[in-house]
Amino acid sequence: GAVVSQHPSWVICKSGTSVKIECRSLDFQATTMFWYRQFPKQSLMLMATSNEGSKATYEQGVEKDKFLINHASLTLSTLTVTSAHPEDSSFYICSARGPGTGHSPLHFGNGTRLTVT
Amino acid sequence: AQSVAQPEDQVNVAEGNPLTVKCTYSVSGNPYLFWYVQYPNRGLQFLLKYITGDNLVKGSYGFEAEFNKSQTSFHLKKPSALVSDSALYFCAVRGVIKAAGNKLTFGGGTRVLVKP
Repeated sequence: GAVVSQHPSWVICKSGTSVKIECRSLDFQATTMFWYRQFPKQSLMLMATSNEGSKATYEQGVEKDKFLINHASLTLSTLTVTSAHPEDSSFYICSARGPGTGHSPLHFGNGTRLTVT
Repeated sequence: AQSVAQPEDQVNVAEGNPLTVKCTYSVSGNPYLFWYVQYPNRGLQFLLKYITGDNLVKGSYGFEAEFNKSQTSFHLKKPSALVSDSALYFCAVRGVIKAAGNKLTFGGGTRVLVKP
């Protein structure tokens, strides 16, 4: 149980275009999802906390207008990288807290590798 | 602010030998501690967690970790490593106190290479 599906697994886009990444909780409801960015050989950097039915909470230094997050249902959060540039190329990972208590572990999607040319 | 330190970028071990991946943390109040493993181009997989109770926590794939409050450590261990354990391991902490935030803070990761 507690499966998180992320799509697409990889995407290549041209500079200036926008890319949408989907994160779905398949067998549980997730009122909160988290979006991370991971650079090669580095740890995960929390970008934002996605809250169902309300605005996302962005971490310091993360551009809200560039990384648009929508959490319209209890099972789906989307991250849209707008006007992508080569420096946005990275591995993006979403996660959701599993059902149960507040200390349930996070369950992660398999990530999306974005390459902007 | 909470933080996690994984002092070793890489750990090399021969198959069959014991494996230890070190982790120390800093958080206000009591911690929730987690270990995750990441295989290439994949998300993180949950291994084990410490919430309360016994300091020795057993998890998936034969891994265990020992919570040491006085040393603020939560080292990951496996008695006999397998080649398939080669991966990137992350330690993470979250404060029990809500004022500390509901966010999970990750360490920098430790790459484990198990040689046959």
